[in-house]
Amino acid sequence: DSGVTQTPKHLITATGQRVTLRCSPRSGDLSVYWYQQSLDQGLQFLIQYYNGEERAKGNILERFSAQQFPDLHSELNLSSLELGDSALYFCASSEGGQGGSYEQYFGPGTRLTVT
Amino acid sequence: AQSVTQLGSHVSVSEGALVLLRCNYSSSVPPYLFWYVQYPNQGLQLLLKYTSAATLVKGINGFEAEFKKSETSFHLTKPSAHMSDAAEYFCAVSETGGKLIFGQGTELSVKP
Repeated sequence: DSGVTQTPKHLITATGQRVTLRCSPRSGDLSVYWYQQSLDQGLQFLIQYYNGEERAKGNILERFSAQQFPDLHSELNLSSLELGDSALYFCASSEGGQGGSYEQYFGPGTRLTVT
Repeated sequence: AQSVTQLGSHVSVSEGALVLLRCNYSSSVPPYLFWYVQYPNQGLQLLLKYTSAATLVKGINGFEAEFKKSETSFHLTKPSAHMSDAAEYFCAVSETGGKLIFGQGTELSVKP
């Protein structure tokens, strides 16, 4: 158990809908990262928050957004969903926000299926 | 930009045999390198990391990796494979801000 929790575990929804994925980092970790894992794209970084502020952005679609709340949990919002958004979405957390040496601890993931 | 290449999307070994999973990186600055393992229907678990303290890094479950700057490689090895090692393995490089750039992954199968 990494200490990172993600809800829900599975999500099935229709095209055009909006969903929210939730992540609680390990106790004491200030950074939260979101990654998308799909068969064709592999594991891709989406976005990072550190202590409530956006720190880095990857190839995140404009239809996707995220935020980190004062209690450090984070939410990833996916809207106008398309079939191609079906993937496993991971949240990871780390102690620091800069410097690449910090270990990232991954949650169990949310499997999103868009029908 | 940093990148990672994992040679071989699938590796199969016999139980008790040497495990060698290959990873090459591209980075313009001294990299931070990681190996993660993903068991079916689970998240990623950190096996080991390189942060320039030592070129030979020991990780969990008997795995180790050697950083070779001249070859830009960070191959993962284990002397004797167990059935429980069957999983997908990801090599990753970390950029300054901390985000991980992953390789495409190598699926390890262990035959009895």
